[in-house]
Amino acid sequence: SQKIEQNSEALNIQEGKTATLTCNYTNYSPAYLQWYRQDPGRGPVFLLLIRENEKEKRKERLKVTFDTTLKQSLFHITASQPADSATYLCALEAGTALIFGKGTTLSVSS
Amino acid sequence: NAGVTQTPKFQVLKTGQSMTLQCAQDMNHEYMSWYRQDPGMGLRLIHYSVGAGITDQGEVPNGYNVSRSTTEDFPLRLLSAAPSQTSVYFCASSYATPNSGNTIYFGEGSWLTVV
Repeated sequence: SQKIEQNSEALNIQEGKTATLTCNYTNYSPAYLQWYRQDPGRGPVFLLLIRENEKEKRKERLKVTFDTTLKQSLFHITASQPADSATYLCALEAGTALIFGKGTTLSVSS
Repeated sequence: NAGVTQTPKFQVLKTGQSMTLQCAQDMNHEYMSWYRQDPGMGLRLIHYSVGAGITDQGEVPNGYNVSRSTTEDFPLRLLSAAPSQTSVYFCASSYATPNSGNTIYFGEGSWLTVV
């Protein structure tokens, strides 16, 4: 079955630095990979989607890469701010289902 | 446009009781799904529906039933609640299935405790 791993449960960085979160997957070749943000007590909110034929996608301070050879996606937040503190979830499509990683909790300190 | 609405927000059940978590969306989405989220386990798919009258099982369907009589509504029924079903439940919807590259919209969650 498909397996998706986000290799850090928690990441602590200082304000202004770039946060890099990693998502690895096995046993599947998804056509799309998505990243979501989840704040405590709230539902996940969509951030970015990247297609298998796209190497990189940007949205404001966010950047996502998708390496289908390594089976890995990297999620970058540049010039991080305390308001970026949240849990970030990687998700890959598996046909009629969206499979989620366990998430990485990012804490940005001022 | 309310998006995905879940009720109730919080519920405490006794073991063996049954209940229904309600989910409604006003975006005319064909695809709807239910996830549960547990510490250390992430989001796990319970059931999903690709349209009215069509439902299918996800990764963890045991102990849950669903139906999809309308496009808007996708209730999740707990048949006989067990402490293992203590969790946070999220309903989600999308224009089409995930393999079509559509964004999934989540509700705010329903916190269920079974004692």
